[in-house]
Amino acid sequence: GQNIDQPTEMTATEGAIVQINCTYQTSGFNGLFWYQQHAGEAPTFLSYNVLDGLEEKGRFSSFLSRSKGYSYLLLKELQMKDSASYLCAVYSSNTGKLIFGQGTTLQVKP
Amino acid sequence: DADVTQTPRNRITKTGKRIMLECSQTKGHDRMYWYRQDPGLGLRLIYYSFDVKDINKGEISDGYSVSRQAQAKFSLSLESAIPNQTALYFCATSGTTLDTQYFGPGTRLTVL
Repeated sequence: GQNIDQPTEMTATEGAIVQINCTYQTSGFNGLFWYQQHAGEAPTFLSYNVLDGLEEKGRFSSFLSRSKGYSYLLLKELQMKDSASYLCAVYSSNTGKLIFGQGTTLQVKP
Repeated sequence: DADVTQTPRNRITKTGKRIMLECSQTKGHDRMYWYRQDPGLGLRLIYYSFDVKDINKGEISDGYSVSRQAQAKFSLSLESAIPNQTALYFCATSGTTLDTQYFGPGTRLTVL
């Protein structure tokens, strides 16, 4: 079967660094996405990893280890506007679909 | 202008009513998706379409139907709404299966 696990909630301080983990089990893995979703709004694309390693994009970085079924999203220099849910999603070539985790709600405090 | 639009944005209806949610996109994408989002359950796929003549069930299609009227339009219908269909519904599009999915603003549906 397919399964994606993320922590439900996290709290961090403005200006700090936070790492949001995602573990997955899927057949025919063919890429992992991270999306950001502010409350009541649409998810927006943050990053895509298909090969092992770190992808950096400004304050956000995403890491993938396919052998461990593990990814993380790293947010640096946290800002209040980073308070949102972060969704991990895995694409399976066997099913041809993107499967989303439950999302991690991050609260950034002053 | 938004690339993916959904109408209505909010809807309150009663049990047993038929409801249609509409999605339009100007991105020129062939692939379109309907998801529902419930607290604690994340996004779950209802139906998806890879082109006008292709419709596929997702993981929670019971109680829903769809129509792909054109490349740019994909509608979701609830034939007889029930309270546990109260949720936030999102339409999304992508150029290919591996391409980033772009989401509409969502429709908040409440079934009383």
